[in-house]
Amino acid sequence: GAVVSQHPSWVICKSGTSVKIECRSLDFQATTMFWYRQFPKQSLMLMATSNEGSKATYEQGVEKDKFLINHASLTLSTLTVTSAHPEDSSFYICSGRRRGSRYEQYFGPGTRLTVT
Amino acid sequence: AQKITQTQPGMFVQEKEAVTLDCTYDTSDPSYGLFWYKQPSSGEMIFLIYQGSYDQQNATEGRYSLNFQKARKSANLVISASQLGDSAMYFCAMREGGGSNYKLTFGKGTLLTVNP
Repeated sequence: GAVVSQHPSWVICKSGTSVKIECRSLDFQATTMFWYRQFPKQSLMLMATSNEGSKATYEQGVEKDKFLINHASLTLSTLTVTSAHPEDSSFYICSGRRRGSRYEQYFGPGTRLTVT
Repeated sequence: AQKITQTQPGMFVQEKEAVTLDCTYDTSDPSYGLFWYKQPSSGEMIFLIYQGSYDQQNATEGRYSLNFQKARKSANLVISASQLGDSAMYFCAMREGGGSNYKLTFGKGTLLTVNP
């Protein structure tokens, strides 16, 4: 199967600091990666789509200066939450689409961010 | 208007029985696809099954089958012979259009509980 990892799996940070979340495709090349956030007992909301080597495309309402996404290689994408606030506390999930695959997205295990 | 509607916030089923999780969708795009994902309490999203709008037959994957009724715009998930490990949140999702940068829109999910 296609495996995606995320690091860290959970993080607690103080308000005003920045935190970086890594998303890695372990056994495939992810030409496109997606970042979602999920509030408790709610659905996944797409934040942004990124292609390797290109700037990310953000969804309406997502602040690109606050949620910095880098997709530097075919196996690594990072999401940096800058100047985090308590309302940024959420479950962040990444997914990757494998080169040549039909339409499947393979999801990482998620990162739980708590901002105090 | 919601693009993906899951009308069952919660469902209960007895072990070894079959259960149907409902999903209706709304799109004017002739090319689309429907996914079902399972999210256990641990948080990772597990791909279950996919149905393309042009696929002639209903998709099946082991104990999972997708009852695709195009005219009704419904894509219900049928789980046969339920197991205790099937207890989880289930999300229906849709991609619209083709190309490499398609997006997934998720429904609000159905929490399935399998009783022994």
